[in-house]
This record gives sequence, structure tokens and C-alpha cells, in this order.
Amino acid sequence: GAVVSQHPSRVICKSGTSVKIECRSLDFQATTMFWYRQFPKQSLMLMATSNEGSKATYEQGVEKDKFLINHASLTLSTLTVTSAHPEDSSFYICSPKDRGLTDTQYFGPGTRLTVL
Amino acid sequence: LAKTTQPISMDSYEGQEVNITCSHNNIATNDYITWYQQFPSQGPRFIIQGYKTKVTNEVASLFIPADRKSSTLSLPRVSLSDTAVYYCLVRGVSSASKIIFGSGTRLSIRP
Repeated sequence: GAVVSQHPSRVICKSGTSVKIECRSLDFQATTMFWYRQFPKQSLMLMATSNEGSKATYEQGVEKDKFLINHASLTLSTLTVTSAHPEDSSFYICSPKDRGLTDTQYFGPGTRLTVL
Repeated sequence: LAKTTQPISMDSYEGQEVNITCSHNNIATNDYITWYQQFPSQGPRFIIQGYKTKVTNEVASLFIPADRKSSTLSLPRVSLSDTAVYYCLVRGVSSASKIIFGSGTRLSIRP
């Protein structure tokens, strides 16, 4: 199957700092990238959708100025949590869609963010 | 986007067959039914996808009745490693479609 990587796998930071999470599709090109977050014991919640070279579209209730998404290439997307606070502690999962197969959406292994 | 309803949790024992049913009354003609599995602190993993009748792969079977308003994921002879959360999803196949997760079913397998 397709390989998706996320870096870092886990990160601990102090409140007020910014954290960048990278998502790479290693063996396919992703024109569309979805970012999800998941709180403990809850389901995945879609945060935003981005297309390569375009601005991201955010779901209702997700602050675009707080969660900066960059999708500059077909194999790399980044999510930056700016001025992180403890309530941003969560599991963040990227999900690239294969450019060649409209029906195939893959998921990264996730990044555990803990804000102290 | 069609909403799905599935049991919050299920318990079973090793070696048993487990069937998880999902309701999707508002499924559209172009929608497919997809099931994902998620272990703690991991991203979801694709299990199986179907449109109608029955689909089988090396890990599961998916049964879809003619009206497509529900589907059943069948896991044969489960083991402890099948303990996970299972998500039933319904979505179209256009390039603009996105996956919206429901609450999922937390499956616990006991020895």
C-alpha cells in the first residue's frame, strides 16, 4: 500500500510556542491533503482540506490563523500549530489523496502533540 | 454526506466471528461504503470497500443488502490483535469528496 509519513511522531512543547508537523506521501503524488485531529476516546475530526498550490479550506470552528497549512508540493504538506495551548494537545493525522486514483485516501501514522 | 450509525462498542472472544452493522439510511446512488480500522495512537487503516452485495478480501467480508441502507463488516475468527476501533464511512468517489468519520465501534476481543 501507499506510504505516508509524519514527522515528528510525538512532540511536547511549552504553551505559547509553535509546532510544525510534516506529512509526506512517499510513493505517490497528493493533490489534496486532509488534516484531522483526534482527542482521546473520540473520533477523528476533519480540520481542513488543502489542494496543492492553493489556500486551505477550514472546517467550521477551526481557526485558520492558528492552524497554518502549507501544501507547496505534491508530496509534502505541513500543519503549524501557532501559539499552542494545552487545549491544542491532540493527535493530528494527515490524509493525502492519491492524484492518480480519485477514490483513494490514505492516512498518516499521526503526531501526538502535548502542550504543557 | 450520508450519516452513519454503528454500535459504540462490542465485545467478543478469540476465534469467534464478529459482525459489525452500520446504518446509512441516506446513502446516495454514487456513494461507496468503506470500513477503516484504527489502533490506539495510529492512523486509520483501510479494511474493505464496497458498493453492493458482497465483497471479500484477506481480512474481512462486507455484506451490503439491495437497498444499501446498511452494511455489515464481518471479521472471521478474530484474535486479540483485532481489538480496535472500526469506522464505517459513506462517501462519493469524486475528487472533491472527503472522509468524515462517525463515532466508530470499539471492538474488544478477550482470550
